Amino acid sequence: DAKTTQPTSMDCAEGRAANLPCNHSTISGNEYVYWYRQIHSQGPQYIIHGLKNNETNEMASLIITEDRKSSTLILPHATLRDTAVYYCIVRVANDYKLSFGAGTTVTVRA
Amino acid sequence: GAVVSQHPSWVICKSGTSVKIECRSLDFQATTMFWYRQFPKQSLMLMATSNEGSKATYEQGVEKDKFLINHASLTLSTLTVTSAHPEDSSFYICSAETGLGHNEQFFGPGTRLTVL
Repeated sequence: DAKTTQPTSMDCAEGRAANLPCNHSTISGNEYVYWYRQIHSQGPQYIIHGLKNNETNEMASLIITEDRKSSTLILPHATLRDTAVYYCIVRVANDYKLSFGAGTTVTVRA
Repeated sequence: GAVVSQHPSWVICKSGTSVKIECRSLDFQATTMFWYRQFPKQSLMLMATSNEGSKATYEQGVEKDKFLINHASLTLSTLTVTSAHPEDSSFYICSAETGLGHNEQFFGPGTRLTVL
């Protein structure tokens, strides 16, 4: 049972912002939204996570809607090295398990 | 900080042999480590969760006698694929958490196993 829904793929131009949507309409109050990415043939890399407030770090920004049913990961200035599969995951705070769905394959083009 | 290493990065073995993969947290102590498997063009599938000093918890459908996991210290977990067969060929990835509050998991670079 998929907890999140993401587009299969998306392209974006180098230097432009990449906005990656994620739907999690069944999210419960104690579940966080996590984003990871996996560059080809590497282990996943943590990007950002949040509960209900918008979050920003050196890699990206996470915008969570007020009803928490969806979120958007924003890569402010995409580079070719951002080409990867991006996974949106919901997870209970005290549950260490991460359930990876299919993710969104993001291709950044010059 | 928060670096997780795996060794080897790739291994090729003959069918019927056993292969050991190491996962180390280099700059933190990992109370919990996880092992994932990823087949080509598929997503990561959790195989098992291991806590230091205790038996691993395997996900449904994962044979515990085939995939032996040992978490002997706070910085090392090993996965041994026993009597490997071609269908075990996959990308094996470990991850680690510190267990201090609400932390993200840190992933290793993965190990590519090819069984001939």
